[in-house]
Amino acid sequence: DTAVSQTPKYLVTQMGNDKSIKCEQNLGHDTMYWYKQDSKKFLKIMFSYNNKELIINETVPNRFSPKSPDKAHLNLHINSLELGDSAVYFCASSHRILSYGYTFGSGTRLTVV
Amino acid sequence: AQKVTQAQTEISVVEKEDVTLDCVYETRDTTYYLFWYKQPPSGELVFLIRRNSFDEQNEISGRYSWNFQKSTSSFNFTITASQVVDSAVYFCALSEADQAGTALIFGKGTTLSVSS
Repeated sequence: DTAVSQTPKYLVTQMGNDKSIKCEQNLGHDTMYWYKQDSKKFLKIMFSYNNKELIINETVPNRFSPKSPDKAHLNLHINSLELGDSAVYFCASSHRILSYGYTFGSGTRLTVV
Repeated sequence: AQKVTQAQTEISVVEKEDVTLDCVYETRDTTYYLFWYKQPPSGELVFLIRRNSFDEQNEISGRYSWNFQKSTSSFNFTITASQVVDSAVYFCALSEADQAGTALIFGKGTTLSVSS
């Protein structure tokens, strides 16, 4: 049973397209996150949601829009994709008390051509 | 401002060597949490350890050990008798608050290559 699952694992698309990445967790966690890992492996938070409420919204282009229909799901929608959006996107979840750390999904490698 | 520095970009060792990965952090909070994650070539992020700022006890788990020193703001990770399977990118991370939605701030990672 996968704790945090992301789909798709790989996504290749053309510039200008709109795409979504789905994330689901079955750990009963209240909080979910999206992180971006760039080509140099640097991990940076994009968004966090707690019980469907947006907590963190880092400086990302407003072409990126997270959507949390319930606390087990946090999807990432990207409009008008650009070459610079190519990266690995990780979904994660945690208990409300962060000290137990995050559980990460396996990542979605997005390639914009 | 919070910051995590992993000065070693890449380390190469031969199997059975011991290796230490350095992590230095900056924070103004008195309560914070430190983490290490492993990212093997397959790409997933694997949680290794969490340490509270008020617990300076060092920890050992098999071949892994962690040395937390508040005086030098360091949280170093040592692998004893390294193995090829230890080859991965290792990330140190910091969280300043123990509340919902708080970001983990990651260092840039250290790529460890263990050859046989």
